[in-house]
Amino acid sequence: EVQLVESGGGLVQPGGSLRLSCAASGFTFSDYSMNWVRQAPGKGLEWLSYISSTTSTIYYADSVRGRFTISRDSATNSLSLHMSSLSAEDTAVYYCARGLRYPDYWGQGTLVTVSS
Amino acid sequence: DVMMTQSPPSLPVTLGQPASISCRASQSLLHSDGNTYLSWYQQRPGQSPRRLIYKVSNRDSGVPDRFSGSGSGTDFTLKISRVEAEDVGVYYCMQGTHWPPLTFGGGTKVEIK
Repeated sequence: EVQLVESGGGLVQPGGSLRLSCAASGFTFSDYSMNWVRQAPGKGLEWLSYISSTTSTIYYADSVRGRFTISRDSATNSLSLHMSSLSAEDTAVYYCARGLRYPDYWGQGTLVTVSS
Repeated sequence: DVMMTQSPPSLPVTLGQPASISCRASQSLLHSDGNTYLSWYQQRPGQSPRRLIYKVSNRDSGVPDRFSGSGSGTDFTLKISRVEAEDVGVYYCMQGTHWPPLTFGGGTKVEIK
């Protein structure tokens, strides 16, 4: 069974940093590209970042480019998102999602709250 | 970026009755490889998104056949032939043809009358 489990969310002060993780299991992680998508409270879905299976290709949304860094470790089957210079607008549930043009599996999400 | 516009934003439906959600893209979603990368996701209350349909009309494994997707170019539709209580939630269309970025519609909230 494919499973994606996010962790690392929590309360962080404006201007602070946080690192999210996504533990993958039930499939060959190194064969799949991955994404991060977020959802602000009561709002819709916003794609944030993509990393190819080989890490050769990485993309970011304009809203996070220069502040967020995506990475992956096939040795531990994990995806990461390092977030810095956080503001209240970054408060959201963050999901990892598998796949290229139409992500199939999504994790349950981890909540990031940016507040003083 | 490709804008995805869904309608209606809210859809009250009687149990057992059909429902239809529209999704319009700001430009054609036909890719040069011949595929149209339009997918539909269901988000039940308190849950993460679940993919229902990919490449316009391909239903995911385990998705009831009362769900169907259709359309081409810029206009797409998700239909539920007979709404059941478990179908309550928000439905999103998403395009993967012109990316990055992947872009989502604003969502349609399906509720029972």
